[in-house]
Parts: sequence; C-alpha cells; structure tokens
Amino acid sequence: AQTVTQSQPEMSVQEAETVTLSCTYDTSESDYYLFWYKQPPSRQMILVIRQEAYKQQNATENRFSVNFQKAAKSFSLKISDSQLGDAAMYFCAYRRSQGGSEKLVFGKGTKLTVNP
Amino acid sequence: DAGVIQSPRHEVTEMGQEVTLRCKPISGHDYLFWYRQTMMRGLELLIYFNNNVPIDDSGMPEDRFSAKMPNASFSTLKIQPSEPRDSAVYFCASSLKGPRDIQYFGAGTRLSVL
Repeated sequence: AQTVTQSQPEMSVQEAETVTLSCTYDTSESDYYLFWYKQPPSRQMILVIRQEAYKQQNATENRFSVNFQKAAKSFSLKISDSQLGDAAMYFCAYRRSQGGSEKLVFGKGTKLTVNP
Repeated sequence: DAGVIQSPRHEVTEMGQEVTLRCKPISGHDYLFWYRQTMMRGLELLIYFNNNVPIDDSGMPEDRFSAKMPNASFSTLKIQPSEPRDSAVYFCASSLKGPRDIQYFGAGTRLSVL
C-alpha cells in the first residue's frame, strides 16, 4: 500500500523568507500524481500544486514550487516570499495514475506558522 | 459554481443517536469522495462513488457507517448509532474523471458525539 510521510509536524518562517516542507512517499507504481493541499483555520482544503510523476520538470505556481526527486521518492514544497496568509496546515498527497483507485493518500500534515 | 457544499457545518449529538451528513458535489463531476480527518489518523478515505455507484468502501470503519448517492447532485453519509470515537471532521470532495483531475473539497462537517 502506498504511504506518505511528512516528517515535520511543525515549521515556522519569517514573513518574506523562504521555507521548504518535506514529503516522502512509498509506492511500487511508476506513474502517479502528487499534490500539496493547504488547510487554513477555516478548514477548507485548497490545492496548492500538482506534479505528474512522468514529468521531470518541477511544477511551479507563483510563489510555490516543488522539488520532485522520483528516485528518492521525495516531493518537497518550497514557499518563497512567505506571507501571513500562508499560515496553515499543509498536506502532501499521492494518487495512483492507473488501476482504478482514485483515492488520495495523505500525509499527516505540517503546521506552518508565519511570523511577522 | 458554488463548489462542493456540505451540511451541516457543525453537528453535536449524543451517543446512540443517528447522524446524517450531506454533500452536494460540483455539477458535472463524476466522482464523489468521503474523507474523515482526526488527529490520530489524519485524513483517510471512507468511500468513493463513480457515477453514483460505490466503487471502494474499504475505508468505512464498520457497519454503523453507510453512504448513499441517490443522484448525481446529492450524497449522504449516515452513522447509526453514533459513538464518541466517531467525533471528527468529515469532508466531501468531488472531481472529474481521471486521476489527473483535481479533487475539490467542501468545507467539512465537524461532528462531536458526546
């Protein structure tokens, strides 16, 4: 079974600085998708960024980028120019590409605090 | 589109009572998912539907839990009888067909069973 591990329960960053959140996963599949979701205090789960495993190029979305290392099964999220609104729980998630299982497998999350 | 709509936002009930959580997916989406979030276990899938048909219910904890999707625009998750260990946030999500497609989440229902 696929597993997702986030080894940092909590992280903090100064406003305008850069922070990297770690994620590793375990799978025997060669094709899959990886996601980072943000959960602010409002509880709403919001997609931050998505990466297809078959793509070597790292995904970017404005201030958010990933470092995808397929061989190492690592998928870290970098937040540049951190803003107070970035404070939230961040969840890494995995989803199979084939085989009929559509479910997301989540890590336990990292709580990010942004200090003014 | 208004997004995935869940109701109620909060539910407080007493042990032994029946609880029904409701979800309206985004119009046109083929898949609907029910997840549960707890401190101990994190986010875990309970069940998901494709075109109103349950596909994988292996995450449903026990027979006290049941889920239905009578049509493309409505789903319910029912717990009967409820127990204090069922206290959690329950999320509904929907997506278009295909693993590449994004799952959009509702705001969740916080359930407290006293």
